[in-house]
Amino acid sequence: AQRVTQPEKLLSVFKGAPVELKCNYSYSGSPELFWYVQYSRQRLQLLLRHISRESIKGFTADLNKGETSFHLKKPFAQEEDSAMYYCALSPGGGADGLTFGKGTHLIIQP
Amino acid sequence: GAVVSQHPSWVICKSGTSVKIECRSLDFQATTMFWYRQFPKQSLMLMATSNEGSKATYEQGVEKDKFLINHASLTLSTLTVTSAHPEDSSFYICSASPKTSRGYNEQFFGPGTRLTVL
Repeated sequence: AQRVTQPEKLLSVFKGAPVELKCNYSYSGSPELFWYVQYSRQRLQLLLRHISRESIKGFTADLNKGETSFHLKKPFAQEEDSAMYYCALSPGGGADGLTFGKGTHLIIQP
Repeated sequence: GAVVSQHPSWVICKSGTSVKIECRSLDFQATTMFWYRQFPKQSLMLMATSNEGSKATYEQGVEKDKFLINHASLTLSTLTVTSAHPEDSSFYICSASPKTSRGYNEQFFGPGTRLTVL
């Protein structure tokens, strides 16, 4: 069975500082990895997926198969980045249900 | 675009009663809908996968007779919690995946339904 681990429940950084939210996964095949974000009082929304290789709102994430990691990074944090971030895995490219990590609450201090 | 709604947004019921939660894709047709539950301060856990016109596929440990899922159309899936008990109190979230010719499918999430069983 697959598993997603987000070791940090809470991460607090100052505005302008770099941010890295960690995500490790375990799965025997080649999964698809996602980052979802949930802003206060809003629904879960997709931030980015590894196959897209794009930068969304300044965030990037690289899939490292050797380390089975998919860390989320942003060079300069902004206050509006404060939210709950979930790393998720799909065995079947999104056609299957997602396995979520427990989430990291990111707080950007002014 | 790609909006998913859930109804009701919250519900309180007595132990032993049944509760139906609706999940609708408002502006697209959803080949597949998923149901998740989230306990306080915990992550979302997949309960079942629902394809239009066929029986839902339940995750291990989820009782299919307790959590009845019906996906009657390409825009509507329902989750019925039968004979609800206090331990069923949770946040239930659905997601919908549109019909697409692309090689991957994005899931769009509903706002969730808070169920409290007294």
